[in-house]
Amino acid sequence: EVQLVESGGGLVKPGGSLRLSCAASGFTFSSYSMNWVRQAPGKGLEWVSSISSSSSYIYYADSVKGRFTISRDNAKNSLYLQMNSLRAEDTAVYYCARDGGGPNSGSDYWGQGTLVTVSS
Amino acid sequence: SYVLTQPPSVSVAPGQTARITCGGNNIGSKSVHWYQQKPGQAPVLVVYDDSDRPSGIPERFSGSNSGNTATLTISRVEAGDEADYYCQVWDSSSDHQVFGGGTKLTVL
Repeated sequence: EVQLVESGGGLVKPGGSLRLSCAASGFTFSSYSMNWVRQAPGKGLEWVSSISSSSSYIYYADSVKGRFTISRDNAKNSLYLQMNSLRAEDTAVYYCARDGGGPNSGSDYWGQGTLVTVSS
Repeated sequence: SYVLTQPPSVSVAPGQTARITCGGNNIGSKSVHWYQQKPGQAPVLVVYDDSDRPSGIPERFSGSNSGNTATLTISRVEAGDEADYYCQVWDSSSDHQVFGGGTKLTVL
């Protein structure tokens, strides 16, 4: 069974840092691109970042570029999001999601999310 | 940047057909995915690549995409279909994923 479990969320002050993790199981993690998607309270989904299976390709939303860093450790079946210079508008539930594997497959599995609150 | 436009809400009676649109410039040239999200839950992929269904998704869910509009169609709507629905594409010109603003489906 495919499982994605996020951790690392919490309360942080503006300007602070946080590192999110996503533990993957039930599939060959090293074969799939992965994504981070966030959802502010009461708002819609917002794509944050994507990373290819071998980390060769990395993409960021304009809203986080230069502040957030996506990475993965295929030996540990883990995905990460290092978040620096956090702002109030970064407050959201952060989901990790697996790309389906094909060129036009969508994100077929999602974790339950971890809440990040940026507040003084 | 590429923008996807969805109606904020759609209402339909049980047993009827719901159609949720997703507008974007020449969206017909892109691959569109649709997600269902119920309150307090993670999104679920219900249609990918315009019209394909993941395993386990009922045939009542279907998709189409042409010109400037993609459409998610839910036939024989049930109370359990009440949720927020989001369309998504990959914009190759910016190397960004893009989500629509979401549509709240209400089953009357």
